[in-house]
Amino acid sequence: DTGVSQDPRHKITKRGQNVTFRCDPISEHNRLYWYRQTLGQGPEFLTYFQNEAQLEKSRLLSDRFSAERPKGSFSTLEIQRTEQGDSAMYLCASSLTSGDRQYFGPGTRLTVT
Amino acid sequence: GDSVTQMEGPVTLSEEAFLTINCTYTATGYPSLFWYVQYPGEGLQLLLKATKADDKGSNKGFEATYRKETTSFHLEKGSVQVSDSAVYFCALMKTSYDKVIFGPGTSLSVIP
Repeated sequence: DTGVSQDPRHKITKRGQNVTFRCDPISEHNRLYWYRQTLGQGPEFLTYFQNEAQLEKSRLLSDRFSAERPKGSFSTLEIQRTEQGDSAMYLCASSLTSGDRQYFGPGTRLTVT
Repeated sequence: GDSVTQMEGPVTLSEEAFLTINCTYTATGYPSLFWYVQYPGEGLQLLLKATKADDKGSNKGFEATYRKETTSFHLEKGSVQVSDSAVYFCALMKTSYDKVIFGPGTSLSVIP
């Protein structure tokens, strides 16, 4: 069990650029979740996958955001045309199945200048 | 909608002091309740959990009891250490939607 990993750990980008983050869940975990955490706040749910199927998207996830989990293993979260308000920590979590404990990765900190 | 409220920080305590961080929730049905901890520069870690009313979760000297009548899940520790300095998040999850809803977090600093 190597834990949930995320890459990169930090990303600085200019407004208007596209960014992509990667999450590798614990192997054999079927569920994968994305959350966003802004400074001084708790994480907020964005979306989750059961294997390769995206089952729910929060209304926080505007049409500039897209997430994929093409083979039911790793996942990517892309933000197009970044805005300063996108600056946050993006957290990934995985669980074995529905209702199980979620294990969180270290996060990717995005700064949009 | 479902939500979690917790006491505002930051909280500063001397080593060996008693800790209480209040948490209350609003949710229909029977959510599971959690405390997560985030140490400086690290990811979220599950500290303890309780899945039904009157359950007590405990770990590393921390305890919290699921009180359905008061919709509360207060975190307590009898004697804090400097190494307990972190941000603590109260959270809930319902199997009907399988996502974790977090409170805003409470920052704790323990001074020697």
